[in-house]
Amino acid sequence: ILNVEQSPQSLHVQEGDSTNFTCSFPSSNFYALHWYRWETAKSPEALFVMTLNGDEKKKGRISATLNTKEGYSYLYIKGSQPEDSATYLCALYQAGTALIFGKGTTLSVSS
Amino acid sequence: DADVTQTPRNRITKTGKRIMLECSQTKGHDRMYWYRQDPGLGLQLIYYSFDVKDINKGEISDGYSVSRQAQAKFSLSLESAIPNQTALYFCATSDPTRGNTGELFFGEGSRLTVL
Repeated sequence: ILNVEQSPQSLHVQEGDSTNFTCSFPSSNFYALHWYRWETAKSPEALFVMTLNGDEKKKGRISATLNTKEGYSYLYIKGSQPEDSATYLCALYQAGTALIFGKGTTLSVSS
Repeated sequence: DADVTQTPRNRITKTGKRIMLECSQTKGHDRMYWYRQDPGLGLQLIYYSFDVKDINKGEISDGYSVSRQAQAKFSLSLESAIPNQTALYFCATSDPTRGNTGELFFGEGSRLTVL
């Protein structure tokens, strides 16, 4: 069974703070690394899908990096806003299987 | 209308009852999945199917069964529900012809409570 680890488990920041989360995963048989954003009472929403070592992706104030050789990815949020409050899920894809998710990082942003 | 539809959206049942959660999709995707979400545990894979009649166990398949009789439908059954199966269940689909990155498209979730 794959082990996808996310840290921290939860995080509370003030509006305007920048923050980052970590996802670590086994680097063997790597195919793709996903980040999802999940708000309570909604479906998880895809943020990024990254496949290449050194990939960097950006969507507005949120960005992610990928290191497949050492098996980690960082998600950054610049200038956090209350609407960024959600659980951020990282998931690993090995070809021919299904996405295996980490336990998530729950972000709470206070105004 | 949602592309991935789950029914029921909410269900309360009693220990020992048989429960079926249904998932249907209009995306034309071959691959379908069932995940379970518990607070603090992320999404755990229960079963997945890459085609009609193809069934694969996930991380936590014990106590569950699935049926994939058509491309568009993937149902999850709890033969004899127990309280620790109380959770939020998500169905998802993926299309391996679109870059084969495993990207998932989720249903809206089915909240199951077992008393």
